[in-house]
Amino acid sequence: DAGVTQSPTHLIKTRGQQVTLRCSPKSGHDTVSWYQQALGQGPQFIFQYYEEEERQRGNFPDRFSGHQFPNYSSELNVNALLLGDSALYLCASSLRTSGSSTQYFGPGTRLTVL
Amino acid sequence: QQQVKQSPQSLIVQKGGISIINCAYENTAFDYFPWYQQFPGKGPALLIAIRPDVSEKKEGRFTISFNKSAKQFSLHIMDSQPGDSATYFCAASDTGRRALTFGSGTRLQVQP
Repeated sequence: DAGVTQSPTHLIKTRGQQVTLRCSPKSGHDTVSWYQQALGQGPQFIFQYYEEEERQRGNFPDRFSGHQFPNYSSELNVNALLLGDSALYLCASSLRTSGSSTQYFGPGTRLTVL
Repeated sequence: QQQVKQSPQSLIVQKGGISIINCAYENTAFDYFPWYQQFPGKGPALLIAIRPDVSEKKEGRFTISFNKSAKQFSLHIMDSQPGDSATYFCAASDTGRRALTFGSGTRLQVQP
């Protein structure tokens, strides 16, 4: 049973560019959440997708957007990259219909903005 | 009201000792409190979680103690091992929003 997978593992971009990160949830899960983890800090909630719609959003600007596909996989897009966007981006999946709050995290994508 | 405060920032324990990490929250709507373990370069892994209807939950060497009136919860790692050396995060969420709010993390080092 595959866990949460993310691609790519590492990514280097320059300021002003755009980036797309991808996530496949754990088998059977229907909800995907994205988190940003700066070095030495706890993860910060970006947004959550369920039934292909953004359901919750944290305190992140509109430069951060996402999408969920019919197979429950998800993408995180960041436009006009800033140096401060350098972080580990984590995807977590859960099963909303079960009523459970348990979230399982993927290994993350390390984004470096130069 | 969304903050979760975690202490200590770092902790050094001898092999076989007890590691204790504490967290406090403000938002009374929180009803789910997990602990995650994270190794360098990896994503957080769920260790154990508790809901406010119980005061303690134990899984192997890991125990969560929960004090609803004080809005505090803690992780106890019994018989700490060098392999437990990692960063530990407490978190909290509510059933409605389902977004995890994390503490700032505790770097645990277990010395052999």
